[in-house]
Amino acid sequence: SQQGEEDPQALSIQEGENATMNCSYKTSINNLQWYRQNSGRGLVHLILIRSNEREKHSGRLRVTLDTSKKSSSLLITASRAADTASYFCATGQGAQKLVFGQGTRLTINP
Amino acid sequence: DSGVTQTPKHLITATGQRVTLRCSPRSGDLSVYWYQQSLDQGLQFLIQYYNGEERAKGNILERFSAQQFPDLHSELNLSSLELGDSALYFCASSRDRASTDTQYFGPGTRLTVL
Repeated sequence: SQQGEEDPQALSIQEGENATMNCSYKTSINNLQWYRQNSGRGLVHLILIRSNEREKHSGRLRVTLDTSKKSSSLLITASRAADTASYFCATGQGAQKLVFGQGTRLTINP
Repeated sequence: DSGVTQTPKHLITATGQRVTLRCSPRSGDLSVYWYQQSLDQGLQFLIQYYNGEERAKGNILERFSAQQFPDLHSELNLSSLELGDSALYFCASSRDRASTDTQYFGPGTRLTVL
């Protein structure tokens, strides 16, 4: 079974609005990463946050991590049509393994 | 373009057959990962190789096997194929072997078992 559980499973917003996706996990982690996947294509790494970090920014992306609640959120500000994709969280377990969630399908409407 | 290449892009075969999927990692990357993505199971980690040796194993069936060659390219062998093996198979590579390393994904091989 998947470690990360994204919420919501699907999200549809208007261009220019902010999009927030959440990820919950069950076991202890050493890092959490977010990836984007355009339809039928390979995943693209967006951002990594380590277990001792609480917040990280990269351009229009903001990631938070709450290890006490075992949850993370990805905020995309000022969304664009090109942000339409599926977003996955992946938790780093132990030294080597990454476990991916089921993903959130984000649709940006023009 | 991630720098990871996978061949073939599409593969259509029949149940009971055997296929080989190939992956070339980014230049300089020592780790190769294989993932299976299907509609009902999501993205499942199969196996990781680092510099020619198996490093981590996930939900890989006994009918599946993989190897990483001295030139660091990798092959995933799927045998006795079943309808349920139809999926997208992704290869990813990373510089080292830690879970904190960014993984770079290839474009995938779409396998259809008829």
